[in-house]
Amino acid sequence: TQLLEQSPQFLSIQEGENLTVYCNSSSVFSSLQWYRQEPGEGPVLLVTVVTGGEVKKLKRLTFQFGDARKDSSLHITAAQPGDTGLYLCAGRWGGGSNYKLTFGKGTLLTVNP
Amino acid sequence: DVKVTQSSRYLVKRTGEKVFLECVQDMDHENMFWYRQDPGLGLRLIYFSYDVKMKEKGDIPEGYSVSREKKERFSLILESASTNQTSMYLCASGSALHFGNGTRLTVT
Repeated sequence: TQLLEQSPQFLSIQEGENLTVYCNSSSVFSSLQWYRQEPGEGPVLLVTVVTGGEVKKLKRLTFQFGDARKDSSLHITAAQPGDTGLYLCAGRWGGGSNYKLTFGKGTLLTVNP
Repeated sequence: DVKVTQSSRYLVKRTGEKVFLECVQDMDHENMFWYRQDPGLGLRLIYFSYDVKMKEKGDIPEGYSVSREKKERFSLILESASTNQTSMYLCASGSALHFGNGTRLTVT
């Protein structure tokens, strides 16, 4: 089983602050996804990164895939209360249609007004 | 929009009961997955299927089985429910996973 370590596990910040969440593994993944989950709902996909070194931006969120495709980061600029939620990274491994996704344990972010 | 529908949001069952959790997706996805989510443990893969009548064990298949008779439907079965199977169960489909809203199962 491939393992993904997410840090920090909990993060409580004030509105307007910046933050970074990390996702690390000793394994190489073919791609990595970030999800956000709100209470009572299933996770929702934010982004997929595929190429080593890739950077993707989604408004105030910046996602980076490590050069070796073993780690990733999510940076939020000027966080807002609406960003509150559980952020999950998931690494994809296995080929063709027979693939699996391994999830990190998540980072619970609270943005206080 | 892709829709993944789980039949129940909340379920309470007794120890030893046989439990069926149903999941239906409307996007003709080949791949479907069952995860359970527990505090401090994250999402753990129970079973997955990449085609009708195909199934593969995930990381924690013990105590569970699955059925994929039709492409759109993937069922998770607890043959004899136990209290340690109390959890949030999440179904997903597709390559970029689309999740249902989960079934919170309590086994008493």
